[in-house]
Amino acid sequence: QSALTQPASVSGSPGQSITISCTGTSSDVGSYNFVSWYQQDPGKVPKLMIYEVSRRPSGVSNRFSGSKSGNTASLTISGLQAEDEADYYCCSYRSGNNYVFGTGTKVTVL
Amino acid sequence: EVQLVESGGGLVQPGGSLRLSCAASGFTVINSYLMWVRQAPGKGLEWVSFIYSAGTTYYADSVKGRFTISRDNSKNTLYLQMNSLRADDTAVYYCARDTSATYSYDYWGQGALVTVSS
Repeated sequence: QSALTQPASVSGSPGQSITISCTGTSSDVGSYNFVSWYQQDPGKVPKLMIYEVSRRPSGVSNRFSGSKSGNTASLTISGLQAEDEADYYCCSYRSGNNYVFGTGTKVTVL
Repeated sequence: EVQLVESGGGLVQPGGSLRLSCAASGFTVINSYLMWVRQAPGKGLEWVSFIYSAGTTYYADSVKGRFTISRDNSKNTLYLQMNSLRADDTAVYYCARDTSATYSYDYWGQGALVTVSS
């Protein structure tokens, strides 16, 4: 079961906006709106940031937003802050009752 | 307050077995979508298995036929029975809950380290 494809790293300066892409196939991202994003600090438990492509759980900053076009989903962090530095993973439901994570992206705040 | 607490991790030899437990509080496992995810050292997240509220279960190809997810409603606990363990099963294993049945997991346990080595 192949993982969704994310860039290995993305960086930006404080206050800038960055976007992380997540490319799948017509069997997952392209066919379902069950795309979510997780933030993970080193040695910590993943935290849900976005679900159903663009919905934010209670308590998550509105600086985080999600979208999807075709087989690619995206997470945008606006007004980048030092505390946003972490690993980010997308994931999606995949046909056949499977679930797949992305390869992960390390976000660095310069 | 929703909490998930894993236990049962440890060192096991290749070919051996181990059972992980995930004790739930603040909700009932019988009414929940629950998942096991693992993360090998220095690697990304990998889905392992999930169980729907109806009790149906699904597995990643990498563990199918070797791992079994189950729940004990009386103990309000989720389990992962792992057999025929291999070195590449070495990872931190997390249990997680999908509160809204949208294949998004908003509550996670602290993780249990499983090391498969001779």
